[in-house]
Amino acid sequence: GDSVTQMEGPVTLSEEAFLTINCTYTATGYPSLFWYVQYPGEGLQLLLKATKADDKGSNKGFEATYRKETTSFHLEKGSVQVSDSAVYFCALSDEGGSYIPTFGRGTSLIVHP
Amino acid sequence: ETGVTQTPRHLVMGMTNKKSLKCEQHLGHNAMYWYKQSAKKPLELMFVYSLEERVENNSVPSRFSPECPNSSHLFLHLHTLQPEDSALYLCASSVDFATNEKLFFGSGTQLSVL
Repeated sequence: GDSVTQMEGPVTLSEEAFLTINCTYTATGYPSLFWYVQYPGEGLQLLLKATKADDKGSNKGFEATYRKETTSFHLEKGSVQVSDSAVYFCALSDEGGSYIPTFGRGTSLIVHP
Repeated sequence: ETGVTQTPRHLVMGMTNKKSLKCEQHLGHNAMYWYKQSAKKPLELMFVYSLEERVENNSVPSRFSPECPNSSHLFLHLHTLQPEDSALYLCASSVDFATNEKLFFGSGTQLSVL
């Protein structure tokens, strides 16, 4: 079945540092890939998505590229802010799973001033 | 504000209690979901409803009982829970089921079972 593997957290960075959160996936079909973000005390919200190979999703300075050859969708940001502190979830959906998203375990990001 | 409201925000219950979680959406969406979020585990899908019909039941123990009386409301009835059921329970909705649209999540109910 489909699955998503994310790097263990927490990831702790200083403000303005470069961020990478790794995500790899296993899927039988041709999935769409997503990053969701969960700020403290809130539910998840979509951050960005990519629907086919080599697509790049981007939003709020974050970006991720759909790499079919490495089955990866790593999240990056060039300069993080304290307000980016949150939990980040990688997810996929495909036709075989009725497009119901399969999520990873989440990676906590802590940004210090 | 995502348009999906969950109550209560926090719930503490004993193993013999019966309680219910409520979810409400006013987005005009046709699909609603229950997910369980436990520390260091992937988000677990529990139930999916499409147009008030249950379309997915992900091997969830019978001590969890969902109800969807209309497309705007979703409940999760709880009885004789175990301590390992303590978690954040998230409700979500989407425009339709089996489409590639994003989910809109509520803030969750933090459940503690004593």
